[in-house]
Amino acid sequence: DIQMTQSPSSLSASVGDRVTISCRTNQSVSMNLNWYQQKVGKVPKVMIYSVSTLQSGVPSRFSGSGSGTDFTLTITSLQPEDFASYYCQQSYAFPYTFGQGTKLDIK
Amino acid sequence: QLQLQESGPGVVKSTETLSLICSVSGGYISNSYNYWTWIRQTPGKGVEWIGDIYHSGTTYYNPTLKSRVTISVDTSKSQNQFSLKVRSVTAADTAVYYCASRSIHWFDPWGQGTLVTVSS
Repeated sequence: DIQMTQSPSSLSASVGDRVTISCRTNQSVSMNLNWYQQKVGKVPKVMIYSVSTLQSGVPSRFSGSGSGTDFTLTITSLQPEDFASYYCQQSYAFPYTFGQGTKLDIK
Repeated sequence: QLQLQESGPGVVKSTETLSLICSVSGGYISNSYNYWTWIRQTPGKGVEWIGDIYHSGTTYYNPTLKSRVTISVDTSKSQNQFSLKVRSVTAADTAVYYCASRSIHWFDPWGQGTLVTVSS
C-alpha cells in the first residue's frame, strides 16, 4: 500500500494567516493526489484534485502543488470557514489511501 | 445533481454481517461512468477506502478487507442502489461508513455517512 504522511497533524492559525500542509507518499503517485476538507460532524468534501485543480466552488485562496512524493496544500488569508481537518488522498494505485489528517484550528 | 444516502442498521452484533445500502439520486448508476465507493472513518484508523464497484459489476477491494467484504450494485427498474456487506465483524469495524461516487480518481459527492457500532 502507498503510505501517506501528513504534517503537521495539527495546526493553530489566525484569520488572515497563510498556512501550508504537507503530504508525503512513500512512492511516487505522479499527479494523482487529492485534498479533502472535513468540518466537525460533516462529510469530507473534495477541495483540490490532481494536485492543483480546484473543485468547482472552492475559493481561490486554496491552492495545491507538488508532484511525485511531495505535495502541499496552501491556504492564503485564512477565513473562519476554513478551520477544519484536511486529508490528502492518493488515487495512483489500489488500495486508495488517505493521510491521517491535519486539524486546523483557530489560534 | 448527484446525491447519495446510506441506510442500514446502526448496531451490528460481533461475528455477524454488516449490511448497508447506498441510494443514488440525481443520476443513474447504470448509465454513469462513475465508480461507486464505500469508505469508512474511525478516530483511530482515520479514513479507509473499502472498495469500488462499476455498474458492470467490476469490483476493486482493499486487500485488508477483501476476504470479508462484498460490494454489489442493484440497477433494477425500481432501484438505483449499491450495497456493502462486511462479514464476521468485530469492534474494529465500528466506524462511520460513507458511500461516495468516484469520478476518475477522486470521491465526490459523499453520502452523509452512517455510524455503525459493533456490539458484543
